[in-house]
Amino acid sequence: DAMVIQNPRYQVTQFGKPVTLSCSQTLNHNVMYWYQQKSSQAPKLLFHYYDKDFNNEADTPDNFQSRRPNTSFCFLDIRSPGLGDAAMYLCATSSAAQVSTEAFFGQGTRLTVV
Amino acid sequence: RKEVEQDPGPFNVPEGATVAFNCTYSNSASQSFFWYRQDCRKEPKLLMSVYSSGNEDGRFTAQLNRASQYISLLIRDSKLSDSATYLCVVNIAGFQKLVFGTGTRLLVSP
Repeated sequence: DAMVIQNPRYQVTQFGKPVTLSCSQTLNHNVMYWYQQKSSQAPKLLFHYYDKDFNNEADTPDNFQSRRPNTSFCFLDIRSPGLGDAAMYLCATSSAAQVSTEAFFGQGTRLTVV
Repeated sequence: RKEVEQDPGPFNVPEGATVAFNCTYSNSASQSFFWYRQDCRKEPKLLMSVYSSGNEDGRFTAQLNRASQYISLLIRDSKLSDSATYLCVVNIAGFQKLVFGTGTRLLVSP
């Protein structure tokens, strides 16, 4: 049973048209992450939530925003997608309560910008 | 300096070979470490956590050297199915965030 679910799996959006990617989890983990992965590159952390505390990476463009309305859901908003934002977007969760805590990943949303 | 760095790839090895990957991290307070495996166009999946004493899971052995701030993964008797990208992941202490290394691609050939 999927524990981290991302919707949609594939998203096509127009250049400059806002798009929202969603992630939900059934693990009750307090930490949620958004990663961007471009072809042949490693996942790059965009931001993460520790409970409701939002932590933005210094090099994450302002074009990327996130919302976490409750423990289970987290959204990635791309305000004005550019061609360079085409990538796989991965959501992950982990539990800060455990010292050696792995991250559980969703299957990702592959974003195409046309 | 990147927070987590890995050997450049790709590693091309024949079936049955032993191959080792290294990973270095810059934050000495980092508290937990993992190796993930990622197949083409799939999400990363946990291969194994890395413990201070070292740990083994079948053909896979992970080691942690805190003094030198590096982690290693050894794969013995490589199989064709081991072909994938191997990602070193570090939990950055105090920030509760998981950072990926650049990844090392392994290609096992017949």
